[in-house]
This record gives sequence, structure tokens and C-alpha cells, in this order.
Amino acid sequence: GENVEQHPSTLSVQEGDSAVIKCTYSDSASNYFPWYKQELGKGPQLIIDIRSNVGEKKDQRIAVTLNKTAKHFSLHITETQPEDSAVYFCAAISPGGGNKLTFGTGTQLKVEL
Amino acid sequence: KAGVTQTPRYLIKTRGQQVTLSCSPISGHRSVSWYQQTPGQGLQFLFEYFSETQRNKGNFPGRFSGRQFSNSRSEMNVSTLELGDSALYLCASSLEGFLDEQFFGPGTRLTVL
Repeated sequence: GENVEQHPSTLSVQEGDSAVIKCTYSDSASNYFPWYKQELGKGPQLIIDIRSNVGEKKDQRIAVTLNKTAKHFSLHITETQPEDSAVYFCAAISPGGGNKLTFGTGTQLKVEL
Repeated sequence: KAGVTQTPRYLIKTRGQQVTLSCSPISGHRSVSWYQQTPGQGLQFLFEYFSETQRNKGNFPGRFSGRQFSNSRSEMNVSTLELGDSALYLCASSLEGFLDEQFFGPGTRLTVL
């Protein structure tokens, strides 16, 4: 089955700096890669996603890049703010055996003033 | 528009008991999926229901089961509870499936003593 690895597990940045979180996946047939933000006491919330026919997608301060050859995708947050502090999860949808959603292990992002 | 609601929010059970968790999806959403979140294993997919049928299933034992009603509301059941079943159980709904945005509920925190 699909395996998604996510790094780093914790990330601390100064306000205004950029943050990058990286994920790799194992199933070359995976075709959809969402990113979720989870704040304390809440369920995950989709912040951006990318499909396998696109190399990059941007939404204001957030961007995601996908390298299908290397089977990795990354989340980029620019001009970080304290409210960006949360746990971020990457995920991959693998169509094999029916669509299955596999999550990375999460990155605790802390934006310090 | 109301979000995904889950009841109860907190639950304490003892080993060997069974438990039923409930999820009400966003109106109009036909796909409901369930996830288990633990510090050690992260977010793991349990199963997905669509039009009252289980469409996808993760790698969990048969003690974990679910169902979906005609109004798309879903329940999951865990029988013969084990200590390791202590987790946050999240439900998510989407219009048609994983390739649509998943909206997560706040989760049910299950503690097994």
C-alpha cells in the first residue's frame, strides 16, 4: 500500500520567515495530494491541494510543489504569522484497490514572535 | 452552512465494552469517512461510506465497523474495546469522495480504561 513520509516532525521559525515541509510517497499511481492544518482541539482543515497533472499551486502565502518523478511534494508557507502555528499533515490518494487516503506523520510548526 | 458534527465529544469506556460514535455530515455531502488519530500512529484511515455502502476500507480489524443511513449520517462501532483503541476518532464528509474537499468534524475523544 501507499506510504507517506513527512519531514521535519517539528519546525520552529521566526515570524516573517518561510517554512517548508516535505513529504515523499511510495505509490507512483497516487494522483491527489492534499495538505491539512490541525489546530489544537479541532479536526484537520484542508489548506491547499495539488493533483498529479500539476507541478505547482499557490494560494496567497501558501504554495505546494509536486515532483512526480521523485515522488515528493512540499508545502511552502511564506511570511509566517503566529496564527500559522499548528500541526500540518500531508496526504496522498492512491487509487489502487479503491481510493485510499494515507497521511504523513505530521509537522508541528511553531512561529515565534 | 453547518459543519460536520460528531457526538459524543468525549467518551470513557472500559476494556471489553463496545462503543458507537455518531457523525452528521454537511448537508448535501454523500461521502463520510472515518479516521483514528493517535500520537503513536498518527492519522489512519478507517473506512469510507457513500450512499449507505462501504466503499473503501483501511487496515483495521473487524472489531471496527460502521454504517451510513439514507440521510448520510454515519455511525462507527468498536466492539470488545482494547486499551490501544484510545484515540481521537475523526469523521470527515465530502460531496462525492476523496477527490473533493474533505471537511472534518472536531472528533470524539475515546478513552479506554
